[in-house]
Amino acid sequence: AQSVSQHNHHVILSEAASLELGCNYSYGGTVNLFWYVQYPGQHLQLLLKYFSGDPLVKGIKGFEAEFIKSKFSFNLRKPSVQWSDTAEYFCAVTSTTDSWGKLQFGAGTQVVVTP
Amino acid sequence: ETGVTQTPRHLVMGMTNKKSLKCEQHLGHNAMYWYKQSAKKPLELMFVYNFKEQTENNSVPSRFSPECPNSSHLFLHLHTLQPEDSALYLCASSQGPSGTYNEQFFGPGTRLTVL
Repeated sequence: AQSVSQHNHHVILSEAASLELGCNYSYGGTVNLFWYVQYPGQHLQLLLKYFSGDPLVKGIKGFEAEFIKSKFSFNLRKPSVQWSDTAEYFCAVTSTTDSWGKLQFGAGTQVVVTP
Repeated sequence: ETGVTQTPRHLVMGMTNKKSLKCEQHLGHNAMYWYKQSAKKPLELMFVYNFKEQTENNSVPSRFSPECPNSSHLFLHLHTLQPEDSALYLCASSQGPSGTYNEQFFGPGTRLTVL
């Protein structure tokens, strides 16, 4: 069965620390990959996406993610976090052969950045 | 603002009530989606509409009834719900359902509480 797994449910770190959130998926075939963020009280927003090409993808607010096909992973990174990065982060995957675009989400990782 | 609006933002209803959630997108998209976001669980896709045609019903109970009168509006009609249906209901839209068109834009959600 298709699935998306996020390794950590909660992460607490200090400002200026580096952040890496893991995402692994279980899909046959080629995929499109996404990271979404949900700030407290706000709607889900797209951080970055991978469709094809360079496996290192840069997104908004200094985030980047690397697609490693052999590991079925799409980990999110930020070298130096800020208090404003406190949010819940969701990895999502869809198969390129799915004509109806079903996005499968991971359970999310709650990130808390302390001053 | 993502160009996707949802009303109401909060709804409390009894198990015998009938209510409707509304979603409107101002992005000129062709595909619209309903998701359910429960605490500690991944987002669950409920319904997909493409060009007003329902293309996916992800094994959702019949007490949830979607309606898509045009490509800009999407409704979720609710009747005889159960307390376990309490959740955040998210609407999303995308240019198309598949491939590179499947970047989904989310509304703020309706927080539903069933008493």
